Amino acid sequence: GIQVEQSPPDLILQEGANSTLRCNFSDSVNNLQWFHQNPWGQLINLFYIPSGTKQNGRLSATTVATERYSLLYISSSQTTDSGVYFCAGLIGGYNKLIFGAGTRLAVHP
Amino acid sequence: NAGVMQNPRHLVRRRGQEARLRCSPMKGHSHVYWYRQLPEEGLKFMVYLQKENIIDESGMPKERFSAEFPKEGPSILRIQQVVRGDSAAYFCASSPSDRNTNSPLHFGNGTRLTVT
Repeated sequence: GIQVEQSPPDLILQEGANSTLRCNFSDSVNNLQWFHQNPWGQLINLFYIPSGTKQNGRLSATTVATERYSLLYISSSQTTDSGVYFCAGLIGGYNKLIFGAGTRLAVHP
Repeated sequence: NAGVMQNPRHLVRRRGQEARLRCSPMKGHSHVYWYRQLPEEGLKFMVYLQKENIIDESGMPKERFSAEFPKEGPSILRIQQVVRGDSAAYFCASSPSDRNTNSPLHFGNGTRLTVT
């Protein structure tokens, strides 16, 4: 079946550093979303990005659907960026999101 | 416009009891999805429902778990005779349609079930 691989699995940053998180799909995926799960467990929609590039403040994302990957860029990281970042893609004819295992980010002051 | 509402936020049950988790989709959304997140893992699809219909339950355990989305009222995920392995966060998401259109899924804040 469809596999969603995220890398790196864990990431530790000093405040102010930049980082790139990657999401690879084993097969074609119609749409893609990035989420941030904060330390309280809430899932925050970051980007809905089936293709192309979007930016929102210090965050930006790029999806290259033809090459089956997506990247999430975090610039000038802050401690509040800590948590788990998930990518998820839609398969088949339904909105059946398949999640990656996540990247656990810890930003230290 | 209220988002996806789940309640309760936290639920504690003893082994053998029943757990009922509720999800009210966003206004105008008629499709609901339930996901389970075990500790330190990603979210796993459980079931997809439309009003009064189960569309896809391929991720639901065969026993003790059931889901419904009645014509009126919230969607309910029901777990009978809970066991410790059912302890997890259960998330609900909604969308306006079942077509693969340009609409993201919107998630609720989840219900954290603890089985003692």
